[in-house]
Amino acid sequence: IVLTQSPGTLSLSPGERATLSCRASQTFSASYLHWYQQKPGQAPRLLIYGTSKRDTGIPDRFSGGGSGTDFTLTISSLEPEDFAVYYCQHYGGSSYTFGQGTKLEIK
Amino acid sequence: QLQLQESGSGVVKPSQTLSLICAVSGASITTPGYSWTWIRQPPGEALEWIGDIDYSGSTHYSPSLRSRVTISVDKSKKHFSLQMTSVTAADTAVYFCAKRAMATDAFDIWGQGTMVTVSS
Repeated sequence: IVLTQSPGTLSLSPGERATLSCRASQTFSASYLHWYQQKPGQAPRLLIYGTSKRDTGIPDRFSGGGSGTDFTLTISSLEPEDFAVYYCQHYGGSSYTFGQGTKLEIK
Repeated sequence: QLQLQESGSGVVKPSQTLSLICAVSGASITTPGYSWTWIRQPPGEALEWIGDIDYSGSTHYSPSLRSRVTISVDKSKKHFSLQMTSVTAADTAVYFCAKRAMATDAFDIWGQGTMVTVSS
């Protein structure tokens, strides 16, 4: 299964709403779709697991949704620290796959 | 608090073997429900899953890397290891170790990453 994220780059201002897309080449269980945030020079951080569950300590401005082949990560009101690269990831039965990432940059 | 720390050779010559260790602190490496993973990221590129080993010692590898990769656990030394043979420049990347919680299936704890450069 291939995960395609869009857009490749998203330019927004603090306070705006961000919607990031992750589309799969085949249908799979929403239990296996997760989202990570990565800042330059840092390891990724788990934000959302199982499509919609926030990991411990993740602010509630982050939310996830979707099913089938289409999944989204929404940041309701961007804070300065939210500008980073976001990856979706899933388990395909025999291996784990990441999307190519969406870079969220300050407009 | 569970923490992971990678260490190993920063520069490896082409055709040689890459060896990395991930030290686990704050939890037992044999905790049921935990799986220990290696993930890499070439400069400017996306993340790539390499493989993992679970608490029982069962391993799973990326189909594209399976022939060159071995992941093992040293329970007494509280670390797990990655060995990758016959490296080329395409293996140049930041290598991360991570813990996967089998209950959620997500990589919830990550090491800081270590850069490995394949160069003569």
